[in-house]
Formats: sequence, structure tokens, C-alpha cells
Amino acid sequence: GQQLNQSPQSMFIQEGEDVSMNCTSSSIFNTWLWYKQDPGEGPVLLIALYKAGELTSNGRLTAQFGITRKDSFLNISASIPSDVGIYFCAGQRGGNTPLVFGKGTRLSVIA
Amino acid sequence: GAVVSQHPSWVICKSGTSVKIECRSLDFQATTMFWYRQFPKQSLMLMATSNEGSKATYEQGVEKDKFLINHASLTLSTLTVTSAHPEDSSFYICSARSPGLAYEQYFGPGTRLTVT
Repeated sequence: GQQLNQSPQSMFIQEGEDVSMNCTSSSIFNTWLWYKQDPGEGPVLLIALYKAGELTSNGRLTAQFGITRKDSFLNISASIPSDVGIYFCAGQRGGNTPLVFGKGTRLSVIA
Repeated sequence: GAVVSQHPSWVICKSGTSVKIECRSLDFQATTMFWYRQFPKQSLMLMATSNEGSKATYEQGVEKDKFLINHASLTLSTLTVTSAHPEDSSFYICSARSPGLAYEQYFGPGTRLTVT
């Protein structure tokens, strides 16, 4: 099935650095969501975006819904070791339709 | 709020046996539940969508007779892997959604299935 283009695939950063990752699509989505998955666990919802252009923060996390509805980015400021994990973007076309996922960004934080 | 549980968290079974995995929404009523499969270092692969009280909709390539899904109530869906084979070994994750939660999708912690 369709997947979103998520980049980068992996990142190695120093503790305290800011991180940015993004997702793009060839088609429009009405909702964008960002999840984090720790090893052996299910994904945990971080941020949900509902309007084009919307910028939403959750602590050190900030995400934006692109104005074209075809992209979204997630920023993490001042990274800490517990930020390690895989981050997935997901798009939803509307209503009760299934999510379409990106392939994930694997984040490693070096203390 | 919006907690989804799965049971068991891991299971080992012999080839040819069947395994049932439960997915429960603990503090909300899930009109729709989804079942995913995830291979190591890969993204989630949607297997099927189930709405309470109706038959599940399976994604292309997923055998409905092998992966039986029952969504008997607004808080419980089950996935039964029938006649399991080693290639069915995987991480199975459910998620639940409710219109009351703006259709945000919440995931369970996953079930690690190993077929020997």
C-alpha cells in the first residue's frame, strides 16, 4: 500500500541538539499525526494536526501541518537520551479511513 | 485517557496451533479497531480494519481465513492466527479509534508471536 516519504531514515545526534524530520506525500491528507515507538512497544501518539498551516507544540516537540496538505515536519528541541526511538508520521484522508504511515526515522542520542 | 491494551504481550506456540490475541480499549468505546503487523526495523503494515458488529475489511494479500478478526463489542477486538506457521512470527499491534476522540488512533503495546 501507499506509504509516506519520511526523512531522514536515521539520525545520530548529540544530547542537547535540536532535531528535525519530515514527511511528504504526493496526495493530500486532512490530518497528520506523529508517533514515537520504543523497542518492543506500540506507537505512542505525540501530536495530531488537523488544519493546513497549523503549528502545534507538545513540550519540546513542535509539529506543523504543511500549507499544501502534502507534508508535515516534527522538531524536537534540546534532545535528551529518552528521545531515542523510532518516530513515525501518519496521514489520514478523513473520517474513518485508515492511517498511511511513513517508514520511520530512527533517532539515536549520544550523551 | 485513550488507553488500549493487548493480551498477551508475548506468546510462543507450535506450528499448526492457533493463537488468539485480544485488544481492548480501556477508557473509551472504539467504533473502529485496526490490526497491524510489524517486521523488525520496518513500518507498520495494516492487516485489517474492523468495525463493531460487522465483518472486518482485510487488506490485499492478507488471508482472512488465516487471520480471523472478531470485533464483538465496542471495547474488544480479537485476532486469531489459525494454523500458525513460523513465517507468522511477528509483532502484532492493534489500534482503536473513536469519533469522540476526533478519530485519533491509539495503539496497544503489541504482541510478540513466535511460532516454533
